[in-house]
Amino acid sequence: SAVISQKPSRDICQRGTSLTIQCQVDSQVTMMFWYRQQPGQSLTLIATANQGSEATYESGFVIDKFPISRPNLTFSTLTVSNMSPEDSSIYLCSVEDYEMSHNEQFFGPGTRLTVL
Amino acid sequence: GQNIDQPTEMTATEGAIVQINCTYQTSGFNGLFWYQQHAGEAPTFLSYNVLDGLEEKGRFSSFLSRSKGYSYLLLKELQMKDSASYLCAVTSYGQNFVFGPGTRLSVLP
Repeated sequence: SAVISQKPSRDICQRGTSLTIQCQVDSQVTMMFWYRQQPGQSLTLIATANQGSEATYESGFVIDKFPISRPNLTFSTLTVSNMSPEDSSIYLCSVEDYEMSHNEQFFGPGTRLTVL
Repeated sequence: GQNIDQPTEMTATEGAIVQINCTYQTSGFNGLFWYQQHAGEAPTFLSYNVLDGLEEKGRFSSFLSRSKGYSYLLLKELQMKDSASYLCAVTSYGQNFVFGPGTRLSVLP
């Protein structure tokens, strides 16, 4: 199974600033995803990070607010732009890998973001 | 689109059995996953069902009925460390994972 690391693990930011979160995988993977998990809530998919092309965003999420990079098959970044307190959340990256008989998602440890 | 429903919270006693239900509506169903998530940690995979029936893995079992759009996760011999959120997620052809709202389980001594 894939091993995923994220940086930073947590941050406290001021309103109006931007934060870039890094996700590193220990193997080459085709599919990488970024999720948001607001306090006490489940996971909401922000976008799929595609290598060599623009990310594919889910309804309610736009590139200007959450620009994503995917320069190679082991790395991606998510930027949370022009932050407001409503962006306080845990941001998780995940990868999809084929395990046994099915595709499975493996998650990074998450980045806990607090916006003041 | 997909619609997934789970109870918000459940409480059970150490040593007991608990069943967490998940109902879903989707087209092109391609599998259902259960994940466990302890507070402050990432979700970890528990089980996968794509065919009807029961999948058993130690103290945890997961059941699926595709015709009813229904799954449950059964936890036996509950331990304090089983206190966590349990997330049901559904995949469909051509679509990404969709996670349910999660069930927060509290195991009491």
